[in-house]
Formats: sequence, structure tokens, C-alpha cells
Amino acid sequence: AQRVTQPEKLLSVFKGAPVELKCNYSYSGSPELFWYVQYSRQRLQLLLRHISRESIKGFTADLNKGETSFHLKKPFAQEEDSAMYYCALNPLAAAGNKLTFGGGTRVLVKP
Amino acid sequence: EPEVTQTPSHQVTQMGQEVILRCVPISNHLYFYWYRQILGQKVEFLVSFYNNEISEKSEIFDDQFSVERPDGSNFTLKIRSTKLEDSAMYFCASSEGLAGLGTYEQYFGPGTRLTVT
Repeated sequence: AQRVTQPEKLLSVFKGAPVELKCNYSYSGSPELFWYVQYSRQRLQLLLRHISRESIKGFTADLNKGETSFHLKKPFAQEEDSAMYYCALNPLAAAGNKLTFGGGTRVLVKP
Repeated sequence: EPEVTQTPSHQVTQMGQEVILRCVPISNHLYFYWYRQILGQKVEFLVSFYNNEISEKSEIFDDQFSVERPDGSNFTLKIRSTKLEDSAMYFCASSEGLAGLGTYEQYFGPGTRLTVT
């Protein structure tokens, strides 16, 4: 069975400071990893996925299979980054395509 | 941009009553999902649905739960006899294909808050 752990429930940073959200996973096969974001009173939406290897809104995340991690980073946080962030795993090639979520990290960017 | 919609936004029901939560997935999507999030806990997978059949279900999805696509647009989650512990936010999602192919993402609805009293 797969598991996703986000050790920080809350991250509070000042505007312009770097922010890193940790995500560790356990899964015996090859996973697909995602970061979802939920802004205040909005729906869950995909932020980025490891397969695309792109930067979205200044955020990047690298899959480290050796450390089984998929940490999310942004060098200069903005106030509009304040939101709930969820790391999620999908077991590749598995029937059903279910996502396993971490517990989420609330990011608060202070002015 | 097309969105997944869910109704109602909030449902209050008494223990033992049946509830039906409704979702309208994005029109060209083929895969449909239900997740739930109990307050303060993780978002948990309940069930996935493709080609009018359940593809996968979790341990949470017991005989009290059922899903249906009664027409070409709606996707419903029924809880036959609600319990207090069914109180949660229920999210519907849909995807065009399987994410395992590296292309398709799951699009989430805004959720239905179910309160069982």
C-alpha cells in the first residue's frame, strides 16, 4: 500500500523568503507524484506533476527516488501563495487511477 | 474553462437517512472519482468509475455506498443509511484518461459538505 507524508502542518514565511514544503512517500513500485493546491474557498487544483518537470507559478519539485521525496520549493514566496498544499501519489499503471494524499501543509505568507 | 460541479454544496441529514450527492463531471471525461475529507484529516480515495463500472474502491467504500451514472452527465454517490462518521467533505473528480499514461490529470469539484446529525 502507498503512503504520503507531509511532516509540516503549517509553514509561515515572510514575503520574498524561500519556502520548501516536504513530501515523503512510500510505495514499492513506480509512482507518479503531484502537488495540488487549494486556495481559500476554492477547489483543489493541480499545481504540478513530476512527469512534466516544469515550473508553475515559480514552484518546482524534483522526484528523488533514493530519498522517496518530492519536496516543493519556491525561492521567493508571494502573498498569493498562501494556501493549502497537498502532495499526492498515483501508482503508475494501476487500475483505477486513485490518488493517495498527504495530510496537507498550510502555507501562510506574511507581508 | 469547463469545471466539475457538485450539488448541493452543503447537506444536513439525520443518522440513518439516505443521501445522494450529485456531480457533473467535465463533458469529455471518461473516468470519475469520489474522495472524502473528514475535518482535520487527509483527503481519502473512495471509488473510481469507468465505462459504467467501478474500477477500484477503497476499504471505506462498503455496502452502504454506491455510485451511479444515471444519465450522460450526472455521477452520483449514494449513502444508504448515514452514520455520524460519514460527516465529511465529499469531492468528485474526473479525468479524460488514466494518469498512468502521464498526460491526464484529475479535475476536482468544489465539494459537498455532508453533516450527519
